[in-house]
Amino acid sequence: DAMVIQNPRYQVTQFGKPVTLSCSQTLNHNVMYWYQQKSSQAPKLLFHYYDKDFNNEADTPDNFQSRRPNTSFCFLDIRSPGLGDAAMYLCATSNHRGSTDTQYFGPGTRLTVL
Amino acid sequence: AQSVTQLGSHVSVSEGALVLLRCNYSSSVPPYLFWYVQYPNQGLQLLLKYTSAATLVKGINGFEAEFKKSETSFHLTKPSAHMSDAAEYFCAVTRGSNFNKFYFGSGTKLNVKP
Repeated sequence: DAMVIQNPRYQVTQFGKPVTLSCSQTLNHNVMYWYQQKSSQAPKLLFHYYDKDFNNEADTPDNFQSRRPNTSFCFLDIRSPGLGDAAMYLCATSNHRGSTDTQYFGPGTRLTVL
Repeated sequence: AQSVTQLGSHVSVSEGALVLLRCNYSSSVPPYLFWYVQYPNQGLQLLLKYTSAATLVKGINGFEAEFKKSETSFHLTKPSAHMSDAAEYFCAVTRGSNFNKFYFGSGTKLNVKP
């Protein structure tokens, strides 16, 4: 089945140790998004790619970076994770950036920072 | 600016009872509205969406929602709750623009009692 895949599902890292989360999609969608979701909160958009065009949210910390080497893959890099970065990270895709376009979410990666 | 308010962070119903999850939106332009469901440690799954066609929208798993412009509401309902409906539900709004940014509500956790 076509889908959005995130690896790993659970990631443990140490305070200050760089970590990379992975997202891949078989939907061939133009747009890929990264969200951060803390416990009992709404998902918060960090950034998105429209094709290769990177779009950062104004309040996304510099600690968070992203790469999209091709249509199928997108990575979230956290350069120096702090305790406050422990959260679920959700990847999503959509076919276009149009307002009626559904976003399709992956299962998420739960990040623990020790 | 767009925003969503979900009244009631926790809702508890008995199996077989009516489910009503409330969502009110604020939008300066005609909105597009979505309901997503999130099971524990999973990503978000689309239940239904309103894109200015029929005001009563039917979704998966027996859920439906009615867009009421006069009340700025998009409440989610299901006539008869099932144990498998226990999850967290998010309402989201977006608008006509060249970027499909979702504004999520804070979520409602639905508990279904046997």
